[in-house]
Amino acid sequence: EIVMTQSPATLSVSPGERATLSCRASQSVSSNLAWYQQKPGQAPRLLIYGASTRATGIPARFSGSGSGTEFTLTISSLQSEDFAVYYCQQYNNWPPHFGGGTKVEIK
Amino acid sequence: EVQLVESGGGLVQPGGSLRLSCAASGFTFSSYWMSWVRQAPGKGLEWVANIKQDGSEKYYVDSVKGRFTISRDNAKNSLYLQMNSLRAEDTAVYYCARESTMIVDLFDYWGQGTLVTVSS
Repeated sequence: EIVMTQSPATLSVSPGERATLSCRASQSVSSNLAWYQQKPGQAPRLLIYGASTRATGIPARFSGSGSGTEFTLTISSLQSEDFAVYYCQQYNNWPPHFGGGTKVEIK
Repeated sequence: EVQLVESGGGLVQPGGSLRLSCAASGFTFSSYWMSWVRQAPGKGLEWVANIKQDGSEKYYVDSVKGRFTISRDNAKNSLYLQMNSLRAEDTAVYYCARESTMIVDLFDYWGQGTLVTVSS
């Protein structure tokens, strides 16, 4: 099974600043990597798939990059509604696995 | 609008059983793989099981094999998870999730979840 490791566990950022989140896979997942956003008490929402393709309705300030084992989610200018937990997930190998999450909090 | 509404969660004793349901609307349910994903309190996400469009293929995470059964009723636009021999470690919010029509194991819509608590 592929293990997904996210860092940092918590990221403190001021509104308007850039946030960079990392996700590492224990073996190559090609570009079969997704990012989800989860706000307290809510279901996860798909942000990015294929490592860099934004899902329907996702603002352009969210961007994804990487391939193989190293991936990055960048939020270019944090808005108040972006403070949440972000999860990466690989779907290259069965079973699908999620990372442990990165909490983006207000600095 | 795609909607997934879970129900059936609650408090159950260890060793007990529970059946979760997920009512789907706003899309052609019979055209999609469907999954259950769970989240223990304060923890991350864990995929549990999925089922093919016609129910002919089902897959489970090792920790629930032999105890949980996923099923669907396309006539009722509904997904189910029968959970038997429940353990404390099964305590979680259980989400019903639709898989992308183009990419299996990519979850493009999620329900709000139903809480299952296993405790004596």
